[in-house]
Amino acid sequence: SQTIHQWPATLVQPVGSPLSLECTVEGTSNPNLYWYRQAAGRGLQLLFYSVGIGQISSEVPQNLSASRPQDRQFILSSKKLLLSDSGFYLCAWSGPSSNQPQHFGDGTRLSIL
Amino acid sequence: AQSVTQLDSHVSVSEGTPVLLRCNYSSSYSPSLFWYVQHPNKGLQLLLKYTSAATLVKGINGFEAEFKKSETSFHLTKPSAHMSDAAEYFCVVSERTGGFKTIFGAGTRLFVKA
Repeated sequence: SQTIHQWPATLVQPVGSPLSLECTVEGTSNPNLYWYRQAAGRGLQLLFYSVGIGQISSEVPQNLSASRPQDRQFILSSKKLLLSDSGFYLCAWSGPSSNQPQHFGDGTRLSIL
Repeated sequence: AQSVTQLDSHVSVSEGTPVLLRCNYSSSYSPSLFWYVQHPNKGLQLLLKYTSAATLVKGINGFEAEFKKSETSFHLTKPSAHMSDAAEYFCVVSERTGGFKTIFGAGTRLFVKA
């Protein structure tokens, strides 16, 4: 069966520090991969999605970036965190068709001080 | 254009009473529709999905939803609420438009009173 792992579960970082959140998927090949941010009490905001290695689409301009160095690995990064980057970050994967659901990791709670 | 509207930001029910979480969508194509549940500090878990087969879809934990094209609705129901159902619920529409696009509703917080 397929599983998705996301880490760390919680992270506290100072303003201006770098960020690296990692997500890996097991049990499937060539998944679509997604990064979302969920602010407190808000819905999900799609940040990036990827349909293949090295293929990244950005949905929202910001100081975050994403990379997909391997088929089942998706990394969210920042060179300098802002206070507004605080939130709950969720990674997800899906099959290639629009009628296939997304499957989510357990999320990373990021707090910027 | 594609959109999803969850008509209630909060719903409160008593344990053992029915649950109704409302969702309306708009889509230019034949959409796929999903409901997810999110417990605090957790990821989203798929409850059920509609993908152009039977219009009444049964999901996990006793939830079901009915796709009504004429009303552009996909409401989530459960006959009898349990305390463990207290969570945030998201209605999602996905359609293929060249690539494909997935839109999440803003969410409905379900409170269950003892």
